[in-house]
Amino acid sequence: SQTIHQWPATLVQPVGSPLSLECTVEGTSNPNLYWYRQAAGRGLQLLFYSVGIGQISSEVPQNLSASRPQDRQFILSSKKLLLSDSGFYLCAWSYDAEAFFGQGTRLTVV
Amino acid sequence: GQNIDQPTEMTATEGAIVQINCTYQTSGFNGLFWYQQHAGEAPTFLSYNVLDGLEEKGRFSSFLSRSKGYSYLLLKELQMKDSASYLCAVSPSSNTGKLIFGQGTTLQVKP
Repeated sequence: SQTIHQWPATLVQPVGSPLSLECTVEGTSNPNLYWYRQAAGRGLQLLFYSVGIGQISSEVPQNLSASRPQDRQFILSSKKLLLSDSGFYLCAWSYDAEAFFGQGTRLTVV
Repeated sequence: GQNIDQPTEMTATEGAIVQINCTYQTSGFNGLFWYQQHAGEAPTFLSYNVLDGLEEKGRFSSFLSRSKGYSYLLLKELQMKDSASYLCAVSPSSNTGKLIFGQGTTLQVKP
């Protein structure tokens, strides 16, 4: 069966510090991978998606970047965090339209 | 543009039935999803509609009308554990699998 791992679960970072969130998928090959962000009381907003190694599409202009160095690894990064980057970050993979989510990372920028 | 609308909050009584509506306008359509999300947790899949009509799965049912850009999620025999946010999402393309989400409906079930 397929599983998705995302870490860390919670993170508190100062403004201006770097960020690296990692997501890995097991039990499937060549998945479509996604990073979503959910601000408090809001719906999920798609940040990036990837259909293959090294292929990244950005949905919204922002302070973040994504990379896919391996088939089942998806990384979300920032060089300098802003207060507005606070939120709940969710990694997901999809197969045949349905999306499966990781447990999420609650990021608080202080 | 892409737009998905659903009510922000709803309240219902334990044992009752509640219907959560969702309307959408998207550039393409490859299916509509409903997810349940408890506070602080990841969304979990509830249902998927790609053709018009009603899909029933236990206490939960989901309906789709593509011509009207409309869906609803029906929850029967409400339980306290059904208190959660319910997210409507549309897949606009079959190639990428990305989802466009509504803002979610927070459902509070009262005794």
